[in-house]
Amino acid sequence: NAGVTQTPKFRVLKTGQSMTLLCAQDMNHEYMYWYRQDPGMGLRLIHYSVGEGTTAKGEVPDGYNVSRLKKQNFLLGLESAAPSQTSVYFCASSFRQGGGETQYFGPGTRLLVL
Amino acid sequence: GEDVEQSLFLSVREGDSSVINCTYTDSSSTYLYWYKQEPGAGLQLLTYIFSNMDMKQDQRLTVLLNKKDKHLSLRIADTQTGDSAIYFCADQNRDDKIIFGKGTRLHILP
Repeated sequence: NAGVTQTPKFRVLKTGQSMTLLCAQDMNHEYMYWYRQDPGMGLRLIHYSVGEGTTAKGEVPDGYNVSRLKKQNFLLGLESAAPSQTSVYFCASSFRQGGGETQYFGPGTRLLVL
Repeated sequence: GEDVEQSLFLSVREGDSSVINCTYTDSSSTYLYWYKQEPGAGLQLLTYIFSNMDMKQDQRLTVLLNKKDKHLSLRIADTQTGDSAIYFCADQNRDDKIIFGKGTRLHILP
């Protein structure tokens, strides 16, 4: 199993450009998440999905859109990138067992917006 | 809203014990987690504790939970250079929402 993979690993954008980050998991997990990690801010939840075809807003959704057309994929879109979106983006998937939830994280995508 | 607080930095000598502390505000916590993030990588689950437990031990790791004070700690015995990482505390509430702390960077001194 590859676990959770993210594409691309690193990207540089100019302000106003758009891009899509791809997250894929091969563990048949229902739940998927997009976080951003910034120095001193920890992890902040952008959007999440509790199943194929569903998405919901997290703590910092503005400027991002997501889609979950297939269970194994969760896409994060930036329609018009801004320097404030320079960050490391992590995708995670999870399952719930006995009430607890284990999140499995991808290796991250480093995004620089100039 | 709910919050999870951790100190940002901890420095420990190799071979000593490391104790990473976390406080949370949620009174409906069901599970509490410790995740580890090594440089350039995503987070990995280290261990977790159910809210009706007060201690859990797993090899070199000991988790202590004081539910009355809403205080969670992670003790790493015989700290090694490979333990150098950022450690995140996370709280799962009754609605299954998971809140992460900002992470504690553990630095190992030779």
